[in-house]
Amino acid sequence: GAVVSQHPSWVICKSGTSVKIECRSLDFQATTMFWYRQFPKQSLMLMATSNEGSKATYEQGVEKDKFLINHASLTLSTLTVTSAHPEDSSFYICSADPGQGIGQPQHFGDGTRLSIL
Amino acid sequence: QKEVEQDPGPLSVPEGAIVSLNCTYSNSAFQYFMWYRQYSRKGPELLMYTYSSGNKEDGRFTAQVDKSSKYISLFIRDSQPSDSATYLCAMSFTGANSKLTFGKGITLSVRP
Repeated sequence: GAVVSQHPSWVICKSGTSVKIECRSLDFQATTMFWYRQFPKQSLMLMATSNEGSKATYEQGVEKDKFLINHASLTLSTLTVTSAHPEDSSFYICSADPGQGIGQPQHFGDGTRLSIL
Repeated sequence: QKEVEQDPGPLSVPEGAIVSLNCTYSNSAFQYFMWYRQYSRKGPELLMYTYSSGNKEDGRFTAQVDKSSKYISLFIRDSQPSDSATYLCAMSFTGANSKLTFGKGITLSVRP
């Protein structure tokens, strides 16, 4: 149980393109989802916290107009990288809170590798 | 100073060795501590989750937390080639289901 699916797993696109990444909780409802970014040989850095039905909360230094987050249902959150540039190339990972309390950890998807040419 | 520091790697050990992975942190407000394993191009997989100081054992894995020293460790006994992966420590102020701060990760290679 507690599976989180991310799509696509890998995307290559030209500079200036907008890219949408989906994060789905397959067998549970998630009121809260998290979006992380991981550069090569670096740690995961939280970008934003996404709550169903409300605006996402962005971490300091993350441009909310560039990284649009939508959490329209209890099983789906999307991250859109608008007008992507090569410096946005990274590994984007989402996680979902199963809503079973502070003792129950969030579940991670397998990530999306974004390459901007 | 980073909030979470993790021993740099990579680390290479022979099969059967005991592996010790360590993290230190600077903010005493961290209350929840986790260890994740991450294979190449995959998301992190939770290995161990602890709240209080002390040891927690699960099979070949033991997590140790020393809040007074702001130090956590993961021990792997009888290491196997399948343990070869990147190990990340993570911690949270308010619970395993909330914002996590990760260490940089250490890549472990277990040689057959």
